[in-house]
Amino acid sequence: EAQVTQNPRYLITVTGKKLTVTCSQNMNHEYMSWYRQDPGLGLRQIYYSMNVEVTDKGDVPEGYKVSRKEKRNFPLILESPSPNQTSLYFCASSSYLEVETQYFGPGTRLLVL
Amino acid sequence: AQSVTQLDSQVPVFEEAPVELRCNYSSSVSVYLFWYVQYPNQGLQLLLKYLSGSTLVKGINGFEAEFNKSQTSFHLRKPSVHISDTAEYFCAVSDRDSGAGSYQLTFGKGTKLSVIP
Repeated sequence: EAQVTQNPRYLITVTGKKLTVTCSQNMNHEYMSWYRQDPGLGLRQIYYSMNVEVTDKGDVPEGYKVSRKEKRNFPLILESPSPNQTSLYFCASSSYLEVETQYFGPGTRLLVL
Repeated sequence: AQSVTQLDSQVPVFEEAPVELRCNYSSSVSVYLFWYVQYPNQGLQLLLKYLSGSTLVKGINGFEAEFNKSQTSFHLRKPSVHISDTAEYFCAVSDRDSGAGSYQLTFGKGTKLSVIP
């Protein structure tokens, strides 16, 4: 089954404790992206990657890092989480041939205390 | 950079009644337009998209949307809603001419559709 998976689905942590949210897709997509969703703000793009070793900032990159060492994986790293990063995070992927049609993962709900 | 305005944050509607969810985007020469749906506690699912061609686009679950370039709008419609349509709906836009080296999808803030039995 074609899908985008994220782990963990739920996470509660404390300020300053480094964490990683993994994202993996099995569709051989070149393009991958991270969004955060906050009430009343919709989805905002954090980072995206057009291919392996190619990443770029989205609209709200501060406090986040990403890497793209393999085509299927695009982890989101919070080096020192803060309470304002409490949010619902989505990973998405798409083919370079149809980059505008993105497939979303199920989401990761993060609470930073 | 593109921006998307969804004019209604919440829309209550009775079952079997018609519904229209409004979406306007900032002007650009050429754009791709999308509607996504998010059911409770789930990820986003593509409902329909406009890339080119006919301005009336049909999607899944009986939804359709019309691209109006002069009004920079892409409103979503359904002639008769069902309880199962209760969800949050997001309009999104991307620049067609964003360049081969970059791609960004800009979302609206969402409209919560509540279908009342």
